[in-house]
Amino acid sequence: GEDVEQSLFLSVREGDSSVINCTYTDSSSTYLYWYKQEPGAGLQLLTYIFSNMDMKQDQRLTVLLNKKDKHLSLRIADTQTGDSAIYFCAESGQAGTALIFGKGTTLSVSS
Amino acid sequence: KAGVTQTPRYLIKTRGQQVTLSCSPISGHRSVSWYQQTPGQGLQFLFEYFSETQRNKGNFPGRFSGRQFSNSRSEMNVSTLELGDSALYLCASSPSGSLYEQYFGPGTRLTVT
Repeated sequence: GEDVEQSLFLSVREGDSSVINCTYTDSSSTYLYWYKQEPGAGLQLLTYIFSNMDMKQDQRLTVLLNKKDKHLSLRIADTQTGDSAIYFCAESGQAGTALIFGKGTTLSVSS
Repeated sequence: KAGVTQTPRYLIKTRGQQVTLSCSPISGHRSVSWYQQTPGQGLQFLFEYFSETQRNKGNFPGRFSGRQFSNSRSEMNVSTLELGDSALYLCASSPSGSLYEQYFGPGTRLTVT
């Protein structure tokens, strides 16, 4: 079935790069997504990547996609304390009609 | 443009009761999706409405239902509440249902006692 796996926690120091990893099972997903959730808030779409791309860069964010291994990563350059949040990886699944989320990675940034 | 709004933001109900949550999408968006977020199960898709019709449905019991009005506002209803229904319920809207154009609201935190 469709499944998305992420590590649960990541701790970094301010100014370092953060890399959050994700694996997914459905190779037919057209898009893959990264969302951010801050305490008490809904989900904010950070970026997404089309499945025929290997990389997408958007300011401090870099998404890498390895379709062969079904591995997706999100790199945050120059991580700031304001980046502390839960980051969710999601795929669109075979039908492409609903998001299938991982359990989320809690990023903790210390100064 | 105003974002997706959800009311109420917090709700406490008792087991066996029913509850109705409301979602107002971004102006011009015709698709509204609902998700349930719990610590154990994570984020799970409930259903999607487009132009007043349920277009997609997740794997939830029939106690969970929804509807959409002609102005695209949507409500979801949970009947015969169980303790396990305690969750953050998130609504998302998009112009036509495209997932990469989907914007989420802040959610309604439902606590069932």
